[in-house]
Amino acid sequence: DIQMTQSPSSLSASVGDRVTITCRASHNINKQLNWYQQTPGKAPNLLIYGASNLYNGVPSRFSGSGSGADFTLTISGLQPEDFATYYCQQSSSSLRTFGQGTKVEIK
Amino acid sequence: QLQVQESGPGLVKTSETLSLTCTVSGGSISSSRYFWGWIRQPPAKGLQWIGNIYSSGNTYYTPSLNSRVTITADASKNQVSLRLNSVTAADTAVYYCARTLGYCSATSCAEAFDIWGQGTMVTVSS
Repeated sequence: DIQMTQSPSSLSASVGDRVTITCRASHNINKQLNWYQQTPGKAPNLLIYGASNLYNGVPSRFSGSGSGADFTLTISGLQPEDFATYYCQQSSSSLRTFGQGTKVEIK
Repeated sequence: QLQVQESGPGLVKTSETLSLTCTVSGGSISSSRYFWGWIRQPPAKGLQWIGNIYSSGNTYYTPSLNSRVTITADASKNQVSLRLNSVTAADTAVYYCARTLGYCSATSCAEAFDIWGQGTMVTVSS
């Protein structure tokens, strides 16, 4: 199966900061990469599909890029509601896999 | 608006079978436009994909659980079910049911879990 590795595992940032999270796949997954946001006690929410496309209603401060095996999620101008855990997930293989998550905490 | 709701016992004894149901409202589980998955999350840990079931009835499971897991669909009840045999404490987790839909833009397509249930906590204990 395809392994997904996120970095960092956690980070501290302030409101207004620009934050970048990376996700690396163990195989070429083209652009079959999604990003999710999860707040404590809640189900994950889809943020970005196909590596760079914002899902319905997601603010434009979120952006995604990459293809092949290396991907990034960027939050430009961190807002209080963005402090959460973020997961990448590949849909290239029928056996889906998630990254281990990146927790964005308040500095 | 399609909605998803997981249900099942909150406590399962070690070595027994975990059985959960995902009830879908506002849409048919048999649509060929999308398919269904189960994902779990142990306490204070990350998300683990368990498996998917397609409208054809085909299923795919994560290799580490393949020998113990079964996902089925009941179109008459509009439900998707999960069974996990021979459970241990390591199977303690919040279990989520989610719809997978294909999305395309001008530059790429991907299948994503776009609608999730609220999750149900299952504790395995003797």
